[in-house]
Amino acid sequence: QSLLTQPPSVSGVPGQRVTISCTGSSSNIGAHLDVHWYQQLPGTAPKLLIYGNINRPSGVPDRFSVSKSATSASLTITDLQAEDEAVYYCQSYDRSLGGSVIFGGGTRLTVL
Amino acid sequence: QLQLRGSGPGLVEPSETLSLTCTVSGDSITTQSYHWGWIRQSPGKGLEWIGSVSYSGNTYYRPSLKSRLIISVDTSKNQFSLKLNSVTAADTAVFYCARHSGGYIYGYFDYWDQGTLVTVSS
Repeated sequence: QSLLTQPPSVSGVPGQRVTISCTGSSSNIGAHLDVHWYQQLPGTAPKLLIYGNINRPSGVPDRFSVSKSATSASLTITDLQAEDEAVYYCQSYDRSLGGSVIFGGGTRLTVL
Repeated sequence: QLQLRGSGPGLVEPSETLSLTCTVSGDSITTQSYHWGWIRQSPGKGLEWIGSVSYSGNTYYRPSLKSRLIISVDTSKNQFSLKLNSVTAADTAVFYCARHSGGYIYGYFDYWDQGTLVTVSS
């Protein structure tokens, strides 16, 4: 069971906005530790989408944005496009049990 | 452009040691701002961090794997390596090597290799 909880799946139609949540606790997101997001297209390695809570690497469109609250974070994709169909992972660090980098379980986005 | 390339056997027998190497090109592995990490993904499952190493050899391991794991760096070859002993079928996964950026190990993985599938089976 991941220490970061994500919904298993979300879906939307082209042009729509979808949001993927990432719920943590006081030992990770709530401890003011950064949240990062990845996109994994089928059969490929994960790609960094957002780092340091809010930053987009070069080439990532501004249709991808994030928000963060006390113990959770969310990735929002606006103007949904077919090529956004992928699995999305959040990542942070957890201070409990000796400390560890942690990933959410992943959310499969289906573009209908 | 930074590139990482993982290599190693695709098949390992149960109870043996899984060994993988990641070769870094396009930058020196000794750049102080970075660590170098291993992440695995079991078939049909999510991502699991295995551990990371600094250029100076400081290591950070997933607690549940710590007793079976050694991650090391070879600066002369611009490589870092993973050894996981006493493997079982549960260790079957695609293993990714990646640059661990953002300072210390609270950071993110910004460059990944294509992944190496390792199957544990007799």
